[in-house]
Parts: sequence; C-alpha cells; structure tokens
Amino acid sequence: QVQLVQSGAGVKKPGSSVKVSCKASGGSFSSYSITWVRQAPGQGLEWMGGIIPIFGTTNYAQKFQGRVTITADESTSTAYMELSSLRSEDTAVYYCARGRLLNYDSSGYYLGWFDPWGQGALVIVSS
Amino acid sequence: EIVLTQSPGTLSLSPGERATLSCRASQSVSSSYLAWYQQKPGQAPRPLIYGASSRATGIPDRFSGSGSGTDFTLTISRLEPEDFAVYYCQQYGSSPETFGQGTKVEIK
Repeated sequence: QVQLVQSGAGVKKPGSSVKVSCKASGGSFSSYSITWVRQAPGQGLEWMGGIIPIFGTTNYAQKFQGRVTITADESTSTAYMELSSLRSEDTAVYYCARGRLLNYDSSGYYLGWFDPWGQGALVIVSS
Repeated sequence: EIVLTQSPGTLSLSPGERATLSCRASQSVSSSYLAWYQQKPGQAPRPLIYGASSRATGIPDRFSGSGSGTDFTLTISRLEPEDFAVYYCQQYGSSPETFGQGTKVEIK
C-alpha cells in the first residue's frame, strides 16, 4: 500500500517561502498525479494544484498562479510544493494526495479522486 | 469553475439514524466524476466514494453515493459512533478540481 509522508512544516515569516515535501513509499508514484490541497484553521479543503511525474505536467489553481511551484523527483518518489510571498492567510495544513489519472481535461491535465493522503504539514505564517 | 454547495452545513443525529448529505454543483459534473471524503479532527481526509457511487477500498456498505448531473447524495444508512465527522464532496469532471465546503455530522 502506498504511503505518503510529508515534511516541511514550521513557522515562516511573512514574505518568505516554504517548501513542503511529500515522499511516496510502497507503491507507484510516477503514473499518478500528486496533488496539493490546503486547509486553513477551521476551514474547508482548497485545491492548489498538482503534477503528473511521468509527464512532468503541472496544473495550478488560478488563485496561486505565480506563487506556487510544484515539482517531482521520480528517482526519490518525492513531490514538492513551494509557496512564495507568504502572508498570514497562508497559515494552513498543507496536504499532498495521490490522484488517479481518470479524466483528461481540456486544460491538458488528468483529473481524478485522491487516495491516499499524506499526514499534512502545518505551516504558520507569523512575524 | 464548478462550485459545489453542500447542505446542510451541520447535521445533528443520533447513532443508528440515517444521514443524508447533499452536494449540488453549479454545472453538470461530467461522467459523474464526483467523490466524497470523510475527515475527522486532526486527520487527513479519507476517500469514501468515487465515481458518484463506487465505494473506495475498505469502506463499509452503510456508506452509499448516488446522483448525477448537478445533484449528488451521500447516505449513511445507520450511523456508527465513528461516523461523526466532516464530509466533503469533490468534483474531478473539469479543471480546477473543487471541493464543497463540507457538512459536519454531529452527535445529537
């Protein structure tokens, strides 16, 4: 069974960047997508974007365009999400999740449902 | 962007009762590309249903999903104590993939 283990949690200063990693073990990594979803305290789930490692294709939510970069290293089965220009509103738990490649969308990306999920990484943005 | 609206916001029920959660889409979700997740405090979401009506691995049969187009439903036939949680729907019919705002099922 594939397992996703995240790291990179912590406290960050406004204006800085954070890079969260997501390492897959026990199963396939490249032929799925790795998606990033965040959850602000007491709030719902917000899709940020994803990557399909085997194609190197990325898809970002418009809200985060220009501020988020998602990459993947197939050799280590690890995906990364870097968010820059942090502000207090970015305080959240950041989850990675493996996505099925089920629906080839007109955006040029495969969409799907998410399973499994990483344990989450809490990022607090505070001066 | 497809907006998913879940109702009710909170559902207060007793163990053994039936729970019916709604997820309404602002546009038709193609091919019933809709999933449901359960989230408990301090935990990551867990998939329950995909393709509107297929149960994910290991999900008990008291959970069922139905619907198509713009209206989808998650039903829990008889609530067990471990079912009290927040439930989210997610569509993967068109980019960007979006989530509903969640329905909290609490103990009455």
